[in-house]
Amino acid sequence: DAGITQSPRYKITETGRQVTLMCHQTWSHSYMFWYRQDLGHGLRLIYYSAAADITDKGEVPDGYVVSRSKTENFPLTLESATRSQTSVYFCASTQSTPDTQYFGPGTRLTVL
Amino acid sequence: GESVGLHLPTLSVQEGDNSIINCAYSNSASDYFIWYKQESGKGPQFIIDIRSNMDKRQGQRVTVLLNKTVKHLSLQIAATQPGDSAVYFCAESGGSNYKLTFGKGTLLTVNP
Repeated sequence: DAGITQSPRYKITETGRQVTLMCHQTWSHSYMFWYRQDLGHGLRLIYYSAAADITDKGEVPDGYVVSRSKTENFPLTLESATRSQTSVYFCASTQSTPDTQYFGPGTRLTVL
Repeated sequence: GESVGLHLPTLSVQEGDNSIINCAYSNSASDYFIWYKQESGKGPQFIIDIRSNMDKRQGQRVTVLLNKTVKHLSLQIAATQPGDSAVYFCAESGGSNYKLTFGKGTLLTVNP
């Protein structure tokens, strides 16, 4: 049971470049989430999706774009990366809400 | 505004002792609470959850207590082991039922 996976696990990019972080879950969960984790801020919600083709903004959506054409995938795109987007990004999923969200291993992104 | 916080940012215990990690929340509409464990370099891992119609819930070596009167949540870990060393987060959901609001975390260190 693969669960929820993220790729890449580590990424270094330059300011202004487009970056896409991938998230894949094998449970067919309806809900998927993207969080960023920074020291002093904890986990903050970027975007979430209630089902395929349904997405909505979270707490810190500026500079990010998401899509969800298939239930199992939820990519996060930084259209023009900035240094302030250096962070650890976590994807999570759950079948219903409110309920346990299951997290992926994270992607550590550094923007130079 | 809504917030979830922790009373103690760090906790150091001896192996075999019981650990108690506390969490305060301010949203009286919160109806679901969850504790996560996060080890270095990994994603948050579900420990235990509780809904607002309960005061106590037990798992394997862990107990969560909910005091709705004072809006307080605690995680008790029995016979703490070195493998329990990690950051522990509480999170709550209420009102907007898709969203978990996370506290900033408590670092638990278990000394052998």
